[in-house]
Amino acid sequence: QLQESGPGPVKPSGTLSLTCAVSGGSISSSYWWSWVRQPPGGGLEWIGEIYRSGTTYYNPSLKSRVTISIDKSNNHFSLKLTSVTAADTAVYYCAAGPGQFVGPFDYWGQGTLVTVSS
Amino acid sequence: DVVMTQSPLSLPVTLGQPASISCRSSQSLVYSDGNTYLSWFQQRPGQSPRRLIYKVSNRDSGVPERFSGSGSGTDFTLKISRVEAEDVGVYYCMQGPPWPRTFGQGTKLEIK
Repeated sequence: QLQESGPGPVKPSGTLSLTCAVSGGSISSSYWWSWVRQPPGGGLEWIGEIYRSGTTYYNPSLKSRVTISIDKSNNHFSLKLTSVTAADTAVYYCAAGPGQFVGPFDYWGQGTLVTVSS
Repeated sequence: DVVMTQSPLSLPVTLGQPASISCRSSQSLVYSDGNTYLSWFQQRPGQSPRRLIYKVSNRDSGVPERFSGSGSGTDFTLKISRVEAEDVGVYYCMQGPPWPRTFGQGTKLEIK
């Protein structure tokens, strides 16, 4: 199971930080871990993904602002997005799966809405 | 980046009738390893997305047999043989690798 959590609203130019807690399995297993977001009323956007080795792939449209990391001691992975604007307001989903190429989308969290507003 | 274009964007269907959604990519999706990484996702109202199909035509575990995927190169199709009430929602195609993975705009399926 995957469960997203975060601190709530974020101010423009601030940093969005979310964690995805992994239960029923180990973050160190042979899984890929990913983040996908969806603006209100909009479609899905792939943010990036990470493997236990630390190998990452990021969406170039966000690459300069995004960092995905794994915390083995707390069995979770995280998303950090800097210099946010209102355009970053979205439901953020974490997802996971065993396939690097097929994609880490076998399991999904319920999503968490992050609002960027002053 | 590869652009994915779905049609139609809205799909009213009568219960028990078939439905078909098209997805076209801006370039061939045949990857360097010879595989085609095209997936389909379903998002029911108020729910997280769920993958239905991977590598063009492989159904995920638990996905009903009425869902099928086909296609090659740049043209792909998701078919539902007989639409049921629980199929209402938005359907997305997604490609990748190559990275970055990209989604289509989504097709909203509703019951007539």
